[in-house]
Amino acid sequence: EDQVTQSPEALRLQEGESSSLNCSYTVSGLRGLFWYRQDPGKGPEFLFTLYSAGEEKEKERLKATLTKKESFLHITAPKPEDSATYLCAVQMNYGGSQGNLIFGKGTKLSVKP
Amino acid sequence: EAGVTQFPSHSVIEKGQTVTLRCDPISGHDNLYWYRRVMGKEIKFLLHFVKESKQDESGMPNNRFLAERTGGTYSTLKVQPAELEDSGVYFCASSQEEGLGYTFGSGTRLTVV
Repeated sequence: EDQVTQSPEALRLQEGESSSLNCSYTVSGLRGLFWYRQDPGKGPEFLFTLYSAGEEKEKERLKATLTKKESFLHITAPKPEDSATYLCAVQMNYGGSQGNLIFGKGTKLSVKP
Repeated sequence: EAGVTQFPSHSVIEKGQTVTLRCDPISGHDNLYWYRRVMGKEIKFLLHFVKESKQDESGMPNNRFLAERTGGTYSTLKVQPAELEDSGVYFCASSQEEGLGYTFGSGTRLTVV
């Protein structure tokens, strides 16, 4: 069964304390892996798409990496405004609709000043 | 560019009633998706439109749910009759290309009492 698991469920960091979020997946054929940020009362906001093992993408304090089994979202020197829920989703390269994303439950990140 | 607009933002209805959710995608986006997050669970795919055609409706839970996209512009998702387990946040997303560059709306929080 296609599955996406994110860990930890919640993470509390002090401002400036770097850390990583994990997204492990089991799908038969991966087309792409997506990272989103979600703030309370809002919809998911796109961050990155990764397509192949070894790929890395960066945006400000965030860096996403991909292996054949998992992805990491590294947060370097986080600030309070980085507090949000981070969602990972995978897209398969088979099946009826390639628009269908399978989401993990998310990691709720809190950054204290 | 206006984003994906959903309304209402909140809806509270009694079990057995009917509710219609609306989504206005980004202008020019042929692909429109509906997702749902039930409390404590991950966001799950419901269906995918390409213009006015249903590309994939494999995620629709049962025949109490009816989605339409007449004219290939806005979409509606009707729940009739609503049950308690239908409570959750319903998200709409749109993209120009299938499966790429999703933009999500802020969602409609549906509470069935």
